[in-house]
Amino acid sequence: DAKTTQPPSMDCAEGRAANLPCNHSTISGNEYVYWYRQIHSQGPQYIIHGLKNNETNEMASLIITEDRKSSTLILPHATLRDTAVYYCIVPTGGFKTIFGAGTRLFVKA
Amino acid sequence: GAVVSQHPSRVICKSGTSVKIECRSLDFQATTMFWYRQFPKQSLMLMATSNEGSKATYEQGVEKDKFLINHASLTLSTLTVTSAHPEDSSFYICSAREEQKRNQPQHFGDGTRLSIL
Repeated sequence: DAKTTQPPSMDCAEGRAANLPCNHSTISGNEYVYWYRQIHSQGPQYIIHGLKNNETNEMASLIITEDRKSSTLILPHATLRDTAVYYCIVPTGGFKTIFGAGTRLFVKA
Repeated sequence: GAVVSQHPSRVICKSGTSVKIECRSLDFQATTMFWYRQFPKQSLMLMATSNEGSKATYEQGVEKDKFLINHASLTLSTLTVTSAHPEDSSFYICSAREEQKRNQPQHFGDGTRLSIL
């Protein structure tokens, strides 16, 4: 089963880009990487996912390395409301979502 | 977009009471739903996989007789915490995904905060 590792916490200035790294060196060829975030006292929120190509949506961009062993979630212009715990997940068995500790992002004014 | 609704959002009850939490997929069908528990300052812990029309699959260490799961339709799963005690106080969250489309993400409910007095 693929596992991910993320830094426990990061700081980012409001208005700047937040770049959150994730290592998933044991990922297999057909496994997707999913990113979610959890704002305090709420259920997790889906952000973005990808297989091997870079992806972008209205919330963020996802950059996946060519060897697929790591990825970076980019919030292009972080706001105070982006302060949350961000989870990088490769589902077990293709569908079971197991949460690690994630990265606690603090966006500061 | 896909929405998962969870009810109630908060429950406060006396020790020994059984509490039922509902999880609904509002605009899609889900043969599989997931139940999580989260203690303060910790990550989400997967408790069980709810399977429509069959028994739930529980993660190691989760008491199936304590946490009863029923998935009677393609849009509803319920978690019943039986004879709840203060140590069962936690944030319970469910999730589901659109299975008809490949590689879809999980969508999560807003959670139920359970407080047992």
